[in-house]
Amino acid sequence: GDSVTQMEGPVTLSEEAFLTINCTYTATGYPSLFWYVQYPGEGLQLLLKATKADDKGSNKGFEATYRKETTSFHLEKGSVQVSDSAVYFCALSTFFSGGYNKLIFGAGTRLAVHP
Amino acid sequence: DAGVIQSPRHEVTEMGQEVTLRCKPISGHDYLFWYRQTMMRGLELLIYFNNNVPIDDSGMPEDRFSAKMPNASFSTLKIQPSEPRDSAVYFCASSFNRVNTGELFFGEGSRLTVL
Repeated sequence: GDSVTQMEGPVTLSEEAFLTINCTYTATGYPSLFWYVQYPGEGLQLLLKATKADDKGSNKGFEATYRKETTSFHLEKGSVQVSDSAVYFCALSTFFSGGYNKLIFGAGTRLAVHP
Repeated sequence: DAGVIQSPRHEVTEMGQEVTLRCKPISGHDYLFWYRQTMMRGLELLIYFNNNVPIDDSGMPEDRFSAKMPNASFSTLKIQPSEPRDSAVYFCASSFNRVNTGELFFGEGSRLTVL
């Protein structure tokens, strides 16, 4: 079945460092891809998305490119801040018989940024 | 505009007791989801509703779990009787538009501890 695999955390970085969180997926058809972020004590919120191959999603300095040839959607940021400390979830959206694009989440990657 | 509202935020109860978690989705959203988050299993979709009708409850762990949505602005997730292994954070999420690419709006979660 469809699935998402993320790099294990925690990822610990110093402020202003470059961030990459790897995400690969397995899916039949052509899923949409997402990154969600969960700040401490909060629910998940959408960070960025891409709906077709070669699309780049971006938000708040984060970017991810939908790579169909490598089935990947790696999250990057050029210069992280302490406020970026959170858990990041990669997800894919796949249509299924219930009539809804069901979201399948990866296990999440915890990012800790130190001053 | 208010987001998804969940209550209680925290619940501590003893094994065997009934637990009821509540959710108010965003007005106008016609899909509602219940997720469970644990360290061991990550985010699991328990059940989702469309226009107040349960569509897929295949993620509900066992008969001790039940969910209802009596109207468009309210849903409950009930556990009876509760067990220590039910301890988790339970999230409610809502969305609209069946052809959307999977963006969900999450509440802040209900943290359940069963002693």
